[in-house]
Parts: sequence; structure tokens; C-alpha cells
Amino acid sequence: QKEVEQNSGPLSVPEGAIASLNCTYSDRGSQSFFWYRQYSGKSPELIMSIYSNGDKEDGRFTAQLNKASQYVSLLIRDSQPSDSATYLCAVREYGNKLVFGAGTILRVKS
Amino acid sequence: GAVVSQHPSRVICKSGTSVKIECRSLDFQATTMFWYRQFPKKSLMLMATSNEGSKATYEQGVEKDKFLINHASLTLSTLTVTSAHPEDSSFYICSARGSQGETQYFGPGTRLLVL
Repeated sequence: QKEVEQNSGPLSVPEGAIASLNCTYSDRGSQSFFWYRQYSGKSPELIMSIYSNGDKEDGRFTAQLNKASQYVSLLIRDSQPSDSATYLCAVREYGNKLVFGAGTILRVKS
Repeated sequence: GAVVSQHPSRVICKSGTSVKIECRSLDFQATTMFWYRQFPKKSLMLMATSNEGSKATYEQGVEKDKFLINHASLTLSTLTVTSAHPEDSSFYICSARGSQGETQYFGPGTRLLVL
């Protein structure tokens, strides 16, 4: 069973700070990685996808991938209270299925 | 783009009845749709994968006779919870993937409460 591990949190950061969310995965052959944000009572929404080693930036979000260490992270710069949510890391496996981590709860305090 | 809708958003039913949930891709053709369920404070659990025109592939432990999935067109998949019981109460979420990309786009979810 392929696994995706995330610290459940909650991770608390002050408004304006950088939030760093981490994820490790067990399948060394994984090629596609996704970060989703889920507000309480809502369905997940895609933030970013990343397929190559290194950094990928989109606005205040930066995804980082290190396949050798089997590690993917999400940085949120200038965190806002509206960023408070559960962040789900997902890894694509054979058959286009996504394996989700349990999610990290982020709380941004104003 | 990449909008997925679900209907209904919320349903309350009596034990023993069947409930049908629709998932539609509004602005793209979904060659593959996925059905998940999520319990409170838990992550998403994949129930089944359906490809248009084919039988759904169910995950281990998911009863295919209880959770009937139909993917009759490239924009519509349905999940029918048959003979629902209180333990089937959950948040059911579909996602859809087009033929060109790997990204799954999620519907808004359906909250089912079985009394």
C-alpha cells in the first residue's frame, strides 16, 4: 500500500509569515504530486501540481519537490487568515488514482 | 475552466431507501471520474474509478452492489447508494479528469445523512 504522510498539525503561523507544509511519500517511482486546499465542510480545491525536482512558484505559493528524498512541500508566503484550512498532499499512482495524505491543518492568526 | 458540479448538495433519507448522486463536468469531457467519501476530520477515501462506457473499478472493501456507479457519458457519472443505512452517512465527493491532463478537479460534494 503506497503511503503519503503529513503532519496533522495544527500548524499555527502569524499573519504575514511563511507557512511551510511538508509531505513524504513511500513510492519512489511516483512522478506527479498535487497540493489541495480544503476548507471545513467543502471539497478540495487544487492549489498546485508539480512533476519535476525543484521549485514551482504560483503567486504566494511555492511547491518544492525532491524525488531523491521522496519529499514534497508547500510554502505559503505572506500568510493570510483566509489561508486557514486543511492542506492535502496527493500523489498519483498507477491508473491515475490519487493517494491522499491525512492533511495538515493550517491556522493563520491575525 | 474545469468546473465539476454535484447534485444534490445535501440529502436526508430514511434507512432502507436509495439515494442517487450526480456528478457533472461542465466545461470539459471527463474520461475518468472518481468517487470518494470522507468522514469528519478524516482524509478522502477513494471508493471507485469509472471510465466512460466501462464498468467501474472499486477499491478493496467497497461493496459494488451497494454503491452503484454509472458513467454513461463523458460529462455525467452517478453514484447510487442502495438500501442506505446510518453508517453510510458521509460526505461524498466526485472528481473528474480529462483526457489530456493528470489533474483531478473536485465537485463540491454531497452530504448524505441517513436516519
